Amino acid sequence: GAGVSQSPSNKVTEKGKDVELRCDPISGHTALYWYRQSLGQGLEFLIYFQGNSAPDKSGLPSDRFSAERTGGSVSTLTIQRTQQEDSAVYLCASSDLGNQETQYFGPGTRLLVL
Amino acid sequence: AQTVTQSQPEMSVQEAETVTLSCTYDTSESDYYLFWYKQPPSRQMILVIRQEAYKQQNATENRFSVNFQKAAKSFSLKISDSQLGDAAMYFCAHGRAFNKFYFGSGTKLNVKP
Repeated sequence: GAGVSQSPSNKVTEKGKDVELRCDPISGHTALYWYRQSLGQGLEFLIYFQGNSAPDKSGLPSDRFSAERTGGSVSTLTIQRTQQEDSAVYLCASSDLGNQETQYFGPGTRLLVL
Repeated sequence: AQTVTQSQPEMSVQEAETVTLSCTYDTSESDYYLFWYKQPPSRQMILVIRQEAYKQQNATENRFSVNFQKAAKSFSLKISDSQLGDAAMYFCAHGRAFNKFYFGSGTKLNVKP
């Protein structure tokens, strides 16, 4: 079946603008995760959803970052008033109820803030 | 602290040879899982192999196997008969169900023809 999809694939924006990044998890997967990968680095956890609720938002770096998930499916990560240090690849992952310990990743959105 | 350390930023291996990537981790949890993910230039993170911490037997997936030393908190990945398509960044991670994963900084693997 279809894997995790993310859009856009690439996004270039100007400093101070808001951006929205979208994640479509694998159909039926109840858990959804957002990570950030800065150049040459590992993945940094941002937020985790179980259904529509977010039990763990501990990784959001500032109040400029927010995320929502509606209908237990699609999630949107919003970054307000973007800064150059927000430039990174944003990866989304999902997992299903019967296999919660394994996360399946999307191809990511590369964000460049000029 | 929950950390993952990959001490080899970059490694090279000749095609058809064997290479081992190192990973150590730290966790206070007793029940957790360990993973190796592969990330080619396409950015897609691909699950290579996973290990349940409560299992003593090392996981294997075709040419990929792990050496899991729980007491030492070590989880190395061995790739046998390396192929050109194995060239990628490899990330070690640990986590639990319903919880975030902790990732290392990655090892870039080059495969020489």
